[in-house]
Amino acid sequence: DTGVSQNPRHKITKRGQNVTFRCDPISEHNRLYWYRQTLGQGPEFLTYFQNEAQLEKSRLLSDRFSAERPKGSFSTLEIQRTEQGDSAMYLCASSRGQVGEQYFGPGTRLTVT
Amino acid sequence: KQEVTQIPAALSVPEGENLVLNCSFTDSAIYNLQWFRQDPGKGLTSLLLIQSSQREQTSGRLNASLDKSSGRSTLYIAASQPGDSATYLCAAFDNYGQNFVFGPGTRLSVLP
Repeated sequence: DTGVSQNPRHKITKRGQNVTFRCDPISEHNRLYWYRQTLGQGPEFLTYFQNEAQLEKSRLLSDRFSAERPKGSFSTLEIQRTEQGDSAMYLCASSRGQVGEQYFGPGTRLTVT
Repeated sequence: KQEVTQIPAALSVPEGENLVLNCSFTDSAIYNLQWFRQDPGKGLTSLLLIQSSQREQTSGRLNASLDKSSGRSTLYIAASQPGDSATYLCAAFDNYGQNFVFGPGTRLSVLP
């Protein structure tokens, strides 16, 4: 069990650029979640996958956001045409099954200038 | 829509004191509730998971309880230490949305 990993850990980008984040879950976990967290707030749910299927998306996930988990293993979250309001910590978590304990990665901190 | 609140928002205690953190949720139809710890600028570390059929879980100096009927969970920390200083978050697994809804957290400071 090597834990959930996320890359990059930090990303600084200019407004209007596209960015992509990667999450590698714990290997035997079939559920993978993406959250966004701003300073002083709890994480907000964005989307989740069961294996390779994206089953739920929050209204927070505008059409500039897209997530994939092509082979049911790692996942990517892409933000197109970034805006300053996208600046946040993006967290990934994985779990075994629907009601399993969630394990979080260290997060990717995005700063849009 | 599930909403989760946590009281107090911040708490400062001297080392050695026992303390209770509170979490409330509006919809009792939850699968489980999980408590996390978050250090500044870091990800979340899972502390305890309570399934909906359980009343409490214990791990070391931590004890978490769940009362679905009243929409409450508490995290009890015994004999607090400076290393316990962090933000503590609770999250309820929403049956309908199939995802975790987090509270805003309680920022705990344990003074030596």
